[in-house]
Amino acid sequence: AQRVTQPEKLLSVFKGAPVELKCNYSYSGSPELFWYVQYSRQRLQLLLRHISRESIKGFTADLNKGETSFHLKKPFAQEEDSAMYYCALSQGSNDYKLSFGAGTTVTVRA
Amino acid sequence: EPEVTQTPSHQVTQMGQEVILRCVPISNHLYFYWYRQILGQKVEFLVSFYNNEISEKSEIFDDQFSVERPDGSNFTLKIRSTKLEDSAMYFCASTTGRQGEIQYFGAGTRLSVL
Repeated sequence: AQRVTQPEKLLSVFKGAPVELKCNYSYSGSPELFWYVQYSRQRLQLLLRHISRESIKGFTADLNKGETSFHLKKPFAQEEDSAMYYCALSQGSNDYKLSFGAGTTVTVRA
Repeated sequence: EPEVTQTPSHQVTQMGQEVILRCVPISNHLYFYWYRQILGQKVEFLVSFYNNEISEKSEIFDDQFSVERPDGSNFTLKIRSTKLEDSAMYFCASTTGRQGEIQYFGAGTRLSVL
């Protein structure tokens, strides 16, 4: 069975500082990894996914199969990045259900 | 931009009552999901639905739960006899199912069982 672990429940950084949210997974196949974000009073929305290998809102995440990690990084945090971040995994190939990590609440202070 | 719509946004019910949570997925999507999030816990998969039948369900999705797509647009989750522990945020999601497509989530229904 797949599992996603986000070890940090809370992360507080100052504006302009780097931020890194950790995500580790366990799955025997080739998963698809995602980061979803939930801003205050808004719905869950996709931030980025590993297959697209793009930077969204300054965030990047690299899939490291050796370490089974998919950490989310941003070099200079902004106040508008304050939100709840969820790492999620799907098995892909006709099984698209998502397994979520517990989530990390990020607070960016001025 | 098309959105997944969920109603109601908040449902309060008495223990033992039946509730129906409603979702309107994005119109060209073929795969539908329900997830729930108990306060302070992670988002958990409940059930997936494709081609008018359940394709997978989790251990949480016991006989008290059922899903239906009664017409071409709505996708409902019914809880037959609610328990206190059913209090949670319930999210509906949908996807086309095409390779690389993501799931789009509704804003959720907060269910409070008293």
